[in-house]
Amino acid sequence: DGGITQSPKYLFRKEGQNVTLSCEQNLNHDAMYWYRQDPGQGLRLIYYSQIVNDFQKGDIAEGYSVSREKKESFPLTVTSAQKNPTAFYLCASSWTGYSNQPQHFGDGTRLSIL
Amino acid sequence: AQTVTQSQPEMSVQEAETVTLSCTYDTSENNYYLFWYKQPPSRQMILVIRQEAYKQQNATENRFSVNFQKAAKSFSLKISDSQLGDTAMYFCAFTLNEGAGTASKLTFGTGTRLQVTL
Repeated sequence: DGGITQSPKYLFRKEGQNVTLSCEQNLNHDAMYWYRQDPGQGLRLIYYSQIVNDFQKGDIAEGYSVSREKKESFPLTVTSAQKNPTAFYLCASSWTGYSNQPQHFGDGTRLSIL
Repeated sequence: AQTVTQSQPEMSVQEAETVTLSCTYDTSENNYYLFWYKQPPSRQMILVIRQEAYKQQNATENRFSVNFQKAAKSFSLKISDSQLGDTAMYFCAFTLNEGAGTASKLTFGTGTRLQVTL
């Protein structure tokens, strides 16, 4: 079945540590996205990528980094510079033919501080 | 910058009844799309319905329909014949139409938690 796979489901970070969240899709979508979800807030865009080897900052990119070396993969690194990383992280993908194409989401990764 | 406002943090409806969730947005653009997403306790985001701003006809998907008022910048979701499985967070979202080949960057509201009761 086509879809988006995020791993791990739960992740714990120590102080000063970088951690990487995995996102893989087999939908053959061009665009991929990372969102952060905090309690009582909607999703906020961290980074997005329209094509391989290209990505753009979203609204809250500070303390995060991404790469897009393959069409199927868009990993997110939460660096030690992100001082409040505890949140639920969602990865999504979509076609880029038209903007009304809905985004398909993974099941998310919950990141917590040890 | 675009903003999306959902003014109802929580709502409750009895099974089989109808409920309407509110959403307003702010933009100076004329060409955009609007979405409602559902997030059940499993936390997965599921598309409920979408509306293209240039279409005057309100979108409908089975028990779900929208009331799109472009001049008022309002985009409410009506759920008819509510079912227990409709219990979830509902998010309104907005994206500009920036043409073919571009990513559809979504701006979300803060969500409305809907509880369907017996």
